[in-house]
Amino acid sequence: GEDVEQSLFLSVREGDSSVINCTYTDSSSTYLYWYKQEPGAGLQLLTYIFSNMDMKQDQRLTVLLNKKDKHLSLRIADTQTGDSAIYFCALDSSYKLIFGSGTRLLVRP
Amino acid sequence: GAVVSQHPSRVICKSGTSVKIECRSLDFQATTMFWYRQFPKQSLMLMATSNEGSKATYEQGVEKDKFLINHASLTLSTLTVTSAHPEDSSFYICSAPLTTDGYTFGSGTRLTVV
Repeated sequence: GEDVEQSLFLSVREGDSSVINCTYTDSSSTYLYWYKQEPGAGLQLLTYIFSNMDMKQDQRLTVLLNKKDKHLSLRIADTQTGDSAIYFCALDSSYKLIFGSGTRLLVRP
Repeated sequence: GAVVSQHPSRVICKSGTSVKIECRSLDFQATTMFWYRQFPKQSLMLMATSNEGSKATYEQGVEKDKFLINHASLTLSTLTVTSAHPEDSSFYICSAPLTTDGYTFGSGTRLTVV
């Protein structure tokens, strides 16, 4: 089945850029998603990219997709303390969402 | 936008009792609902997929008799944890697919079995 992997932890200083990476094994997904989860809460859709795109920018967020390497990344510009959360990449696989392990982002003042 | 309302947000129950979690789709019809379980500091694991008017499809390793799923209407899907035990303590989240923007998620239910 689909395997989606992320690094577990990232720490950045406020104002710096954050880059969260995701690798996957199944390349048949039509959409690839990034979700944010704050403590004790559900998931908030941040952005998504269609599989035939290489890049998508949405305000402070930039998604890069390298289909050859099966690599997805989320860049957060000017990271703020409110961005501290867990970030999940997710892929459509057989009409289901498969999640990565999540990356805990800590933003230091 | 499309919202899934999930209740309760937090529940504590005694071992051996049953707990029902509800997810209601607001302003849209959810013919499908996904139920996920999340252990502390871990990812979301899909437990089952419910479809309105038919039996749920369970993922491998999920006990269908323990986690009863009902999807009797286009706006309501429920997950009942029967004869709960401490190892069932977890964060449960429902999700419905949308025609646009992927999926919408409930706010989650923190179940603690004591």
